[in-house]
Amino acid sequence: SQTIHQWPATLVQPVGSPLSLECTVEGTSNPNLYWYRQAAGRGLQLLFYSVGIGQISSEVPQNLSASRPQDRQFILSSKKLLLSDSGFYLCAWSRTSTGELFFGEGSRLTVL
Amino acid sequence: GQSLEQPSEVTAVEGAIVQINCTYQTSGFYGLSWYQQHDGGAPTFLSYNGLDGLEETGRFSSFLSRSDSYGYLLLQELQMKDSASYFCAVGYTGGFKTIFGAGTRLFVKA
Repeated sequence: SQTIHQWPATLVQPVGSPLSLECTVEGTSNPNLYWYRQAAGRGLQLLFYSVGIGQISSEVPQNLSASRPQDRQFILSSKKLLLSDSGFYLCAWSRTSTGELFFGEGSRLTVL
Repeated sequence: GQSLEQPSEVTAVEGAIVQINCTYQTSGFYGLSWYQQHDGGAPTFLSYNGLDGLEETGRFSSFLSRSDSYGYLLLQELQMKDSASYFCAVGYTGGFKTIFGAGTRLFVKA
């Protein structure tokens, strides 16, 4: 069966510090991968999606970046965090374009 | 643009039926899906409509009308555990790009 893991689950970072969130998928190959951000009580904002290694589509041209160094690994990064980067970050994968996304457990980021 | 509209809150009684509507922008539309999210958790997939009509999965049904750019999620025999946020999501760009609505908070009362 397929599983998705992301870490860390919780982190508190000062403004201006770097960020790295990692997500891995097991049990499937060539998945579509996604990073979403959710502010408290709000919807999910699509940040990045990837349909293959090295192929990243950005939806939010802010201080965040994403990379896909391996088929089932997706990394979200920032060189300098802003207060507005606080939120619940969710990694997801899908096999096909049928609308079914499978989400990781989420990473809750607080920037102080 | 690619935006979705859904009500922010709905309240219903245990055992009742509730419908959550969703309207969307048509540009590049591929399909409509629904997700449930409990507080503190990750969203979980409920249903998908790629074609017009009704899809039924147990107590949950979802409907799509592409000509009206409209869909809804129908929850029957409501239970307390159905209290959660429900998101409609639209697939664009061949389905690879999925945009979520702001979510509808469902409160189920005894």
